[in-house]
Amino acid sequence: GEDVEQSLFLSVREGDSSVINCTYTDSSSTYLYWYKQEPGAGLQLLTYIFSNMDMKQDQRLTVLLNKKDKHLSLRIADTQTGDSAIYFCAERAGTYKYIFGTGTRLKVLA
Amino acid sequence: ETGVTQSPTHLIKTRGQQVTLRCSSQSGHNTVSWYQQALGQGPQFIFQYYREEENGRGNFPPRFSGLQFPNYSSELNVNALELDDSALYLCASSPGTSGRAVETQYFGPGTRLLVL
Repeated sequence: GEDVEQSLFLSVREGDSSVINCTYTDSSSTYLYWYKQEPGAGLQLLTYIFSNMDMKQDQRLTVLLNKKDKHLSLRIADTQTGDSAIYFCAERAGTYKYIFGTGTRLKVLA
Repeated sequence: ETGVTQSPTHLIKTRGQQVTLRCSSQSGHNTVSWYQQALGQGPQFIFQYYREEENGRGNFPPRFSGLQFPNYSSELNVNALELDDSALYLCASSPGTSGRAVETQYFGPGTRLLVL
């Protein structure tokens, strides 16, 4: 079946690193994505990783992929209050649709 | 280059009514996908349109229908509204050069629908 799971909440102090985790079930997924959603807004693409990669770094963001365990993580270095939002993990299922997790609400404490 | 836009931003309807939501895709994108995001949940795939034809569909009943126009803008229509249809409706566009290899999707700000 198709399912993407994430923990619901994460709280960190400003300046610390945040790690948001995700597990997925479709081993044939070719791309995995991280999106950010601020209150009342749509989804902003943060980064994505191709399934044949283990790691991708993009400025403060590091994505790690463990394909064997179907585990994806997003690390945000030097977390700022502006990073407070809901973060969604998504896998591309087949050719036309994305399967999203329920989202992790990140709260950054000043 | 403009991003994905949606209208209206908010809408209130009553049970049994019909609603039409609109989406303009990002410049150069010919594929549009629609998602429903209920409160506290992740987006759920409704369907996708490529070059004016439905390209794939999620687990939504036939009262959810759509259209894509020659300029690649799109509409989502929902008939016989139910209370559970209250949600944020998101439109996403992608280049979709062939319709079979959909690339990264870029989302609009959404339309928040409340059904009373």
